[in-house]
Amino acid sequence: NAGVMQNPRHLVRRRGQEARLRCSPVKGHSHVYWYRQLPEEGLKFMVYLQKENIIDESGMPKERFSAEFPKEGPSILRIQQVVRGDSAAYFCASSPHGTGAYEQYFGPGTRLTVT
Amino acid sequence: GQQVMQIPQYQHVQEGEDFTTYCNSSTTLSNIQWYKQRPGGHPVFLIQLVKSGEVKKQKRLTFQFGEAKKNSSLHITATQTTDVGTYFCAGRGGSEKLVFGKGMKLTVNP
Repeated sequence: NAGVMQNPRHLVRRRGQEARLRCSPVKGHSHVYWYRQLPEEGLKFMVYLQKENIIDESGMPKERFSAEFPKEGPSILRIQQVVRGDSAAYFCASSPHGTGAYEQYFGPGTRLTVT
Repeated sequence: GQQVMQIPQYQHVQEGEDFTTYCNSSTTLSNIQWYKQRPGGHPVFLIQLVKSGEVKKQKRLTFQFGEAKKNSSLHITATQTTDVGTYFCAGRGGSEKLVFGKGMKLTVNP
């Protein structure tokens, strides 16, 4: 069984460019979460999505960041006009149901470096 | 909003030692989960506790949920170098959302 897949695993962008991070959840999971992790820090919740819906984006910066989970295809986290402070590991997780009663399966992460 | 705090943030132990780390919530939890992240890796689910006072064991790891369901502990017996990593607790409160603590980073001196 394939777990959560994320690509790319490493992404280098210059300041001002756009970064697109992709996440394919575990087969059959329709709930996706994005987290950001700075070096030596914990997981910071960004956004929770179901297919075609954003359920909770309370952790996502209001500007430059957006996320989607279309009916077909992977979930995408998009960062426009990246700045050095966006450098971090971005993890996607999926679960079979949306409540916190179920474990979350994490992907390997995308390490974003902004130069 | 709901907050989950882990103490200590860093723990350095000698191989073979026992230690305990704690997770405290500002609100009563419906359940609590523990995850482990190896250096350079991603968080991996370890266990979930649901009942008040529940105790679960996984080999040398013992997890406990407090009677008031506001705290949890992880006890590791005879620490090994393979235990190195960051341990996260995550609690679900009234909002149904899982809130992660900042993690406890464990290093082991062989």
